[in-house]
Amino acid sequence: NAGVTQTPKFQVLKTGQSMTLQCAQDMNHEYMSWYRQDPGMGLRLIHYSVGAGITDQGEVPNGYNVSRSTTEDFPLRLLSAAPSQTSVYFCASSYGQGKTRRQYFGPGTRLTVT
Amino acid sequence: AQKVTQAQTEISVVEKEDVTLDCVYETRDTTYYLFWYKQPPSGELVFLIRRNSFDEQNEISGRYSWNFQKSTSSFNFTITASQVVDSAVYFCALSEAQYFGNEKLTFGTGTRLTIIP
Repeated sequence: NAGVTQTPKFQVLKTGQSMTLQCAQDMNHEYMSWYRQDPGMGLRLIHYSVGAGITDQGEVPNGYNVSRSTTEDFPLRLLSAAPSQTSVYFCASSYGQGKTRRQYFGPGTRLTVT
Repeated sequence: AQKVTQAQTEISVVEKEDVTLDCVYETRDTTYYLFWYKQPPSGELVFLIRRNSFDEQNEISGRYSWNFQKSTSSFNFTITASQVVDSAVYFCALSEAQYFGNEKLTFGTGTRLTIIP
């Protein structure tokens, strides 16, 4: 299994541009989520999905859209990038029972908005 | 609302010393889940442990140990005989039971640990 994959690894955008951060998992996990990591603030939840066709907002959803058309993919869209969205973005998926349940994180996408 | 506090922003210790990373949490749920993640300089997030609120036994894994105390809402992490490879940012995180399955994690701000050779 490749686990959770994210593309691209690095991206530079200009203010106002749009782009999609890709996230895929091959573990048949039901639950997927997006976090952003900013210096001194830990990771904060942007959006999450409990299954194909079902998404909901997290702590910091403004400026981001998501959709979940398949179990495997959970893309994050920035419609009009702003410098405040400069961050490292992590996608995660989870499944499992009892004590084994945990989040599997992707390697991250470092986004810079100028 | 749930909250995780890691008051230690940065810690430096000399190799082979023991070090404890503190984590204090707040939640209104009686059932919840606590986690520790390691983020080495390469940037990925490495899962270390998950603890259920109804299981108060402490846990040891090699040089790592975790002390869970519900009475003080703390879930501290100790590294014994630290090594340079332990240098990383460590995150404590909390998930409330109502979100079980969704695993909506609330993270602390992290503690940067530097092991000096």
